Amino acid sequence: DSGVTQTPKHLITATGQRVTLRCSPRSGDLSVYWYQQSLDQGLQFLIQYYNGEERAKGNILERFSAQQFPDLHSELNLSSLELGDSALYFCASSVDHGQGVRNTIYFGEGSWLTVV
Amino acid sequence: EDKVVQSPLSLVVHEGDTVTLNCSYEVTNFRSLLWYKQEKKAPTFLFMLTSSGIEKKSGRLSSILDKKELSSILNITATQTGDSAIYLCAGTYSGGGADGLTFGKGTHLIIQP
Repeated sequence: DSGVTQTPKHLITATGQRVTLRCSPRSGDLSVYWYQQSLDQGLQFLIQYYNGEERAKGNILERFSAQQFPDLHSELNLSSLELGDSALYFCASSVDHGQGVRNTIYFGEGSWLTVV
Repeated sequence: EDKVVQSPLSLVVHEGDTVTLNCSYEVTNFRSLLWYKQEKKAPTFLFMLTSSGIEKKSGRLSSILDKKELSSILNITATQTGDSAIYLCAGTYSGGGADGLTFGKGTHLIIQP
């Protein structure tokens, strides 16, 4: 158990719909990362938040958005869903955003999203 | 564009064999290289490598970074069926005050009894 909690574990929804994935980082971790994992693309970095602020953006679509709340939990919002958005979405956390400090990140169990 | 390439993409060996997994990276403002093991769901952390030439070891697993060659290897000796997993490597970078990880696509390792 990494200490990173994600909900829901599984989600099935229709194309065009909107879903929200939730993540609680490990206690004390200020950075939250979101990743998308599909069979053909591997693990793709989407976005990172540090202490409530967006710090880095990866391959995140405009239909997707995220935020980190004052209690440090984070949500990833996926809208206008398409079949190709079906994937495993991971949240990960680390204690800092890495300036001058070693940065190991720990992953949650993931949220399986199936778009039908 | 940052890139991490792992090889082989898949590997099938027999229990007791020794395997070497490869990872090469092109990461701007490279900071460290991480190895993860992914079995059913969440990747679990194995090693973080920041210094070239210093081997990190954990039981039957060991890893080393070569900054000159921009690569790393993960060795597993006396493999067991429980070592079957996808092994991911990731390069971390720093820039603008933010760190991120660029993952390779992984090596799918299958250990046959």
